[in-house]
Amino acid sequence: AQKVTQAQTEISVVEKEDVTLDCVYETRDTTYYLFWYKQPPSGELVFLIRRNSFDEQNEISGRYSWNFQKSTSSFNFTITASQVVDSAVYFCADTGGFKTIFGAGTRLFVKA
Amino acid sequence: SAVISQKPSRDICQRGTSLTIQCQVDSQVTMMFWYRQQPGQSLTLIATANQGSEATYESGFVIDKFPISRPNLTFSTLTVSNMSPEDSSIYLCSVVGDRANTEAFFGQGTRLTVV
Repeated sequence: AQKVTQAQTEISVVEKEDVTLDCVYETRDTTYYLFWYKQPPSGELVFLIRRNSFDEQNEISGRYSWNFQKSTSSFNFTITASQVVDSAVYFCADTGGFKTIFGAGTRLFVKA
Repeated sequence: SAVISQKPSRDICQRGTSLTIQCQVDSQVTMMFWYRQQPGQSLTLIATANQGSEATYESGFVIDKFPISRPNLTFSTLTVSNMSPEDSSIYLCSVVGDRANTEAFFGQGTRLTVV
């Protein structure tokens, strides 16, 4: 069974601060795929990053980075030097059997 | 990638009526998914629509309330039947690539208000 938990409901930061969004996943699969999506106020869903269960390295892509820890079943997402345009709801998601299950989402407010 | 068109983009409906939402994809896909996003909430999967077979519904969703059609590999419809104000939500169509590690693509959503 897939389950994704985002314990942080809302986070508020001041522009240029770094912010980390937490995600804990549960799965019985040995191979699984984790994602982060962004939903800005306009409502569309934007794919941000992907992680396969067999990837070993954490990566950085521009201002985004992620920390995948199998030992704690966590897949945390960090935005460095946040900007007002980063204000959105961020969803962690798990894809198993091709269907995507979303966490509850974390609403991020970035104040100027 | 996939481009998904959903119609209508929004509607206001009377309780007790039904609304059919259309989803058109620009490429052939095996599976299509329908999600509901209630105000301020996350996306909840309603069902998986496969061409040539009945849709597979998630717990809490039934075919009588949310009948789904999948006549071909690029098109699907979701009907919200006998609507009540609690059905007011955004309904989204989604597809994924043929490889398990591809991200999901979403339509722009249908914002439904039931009065």
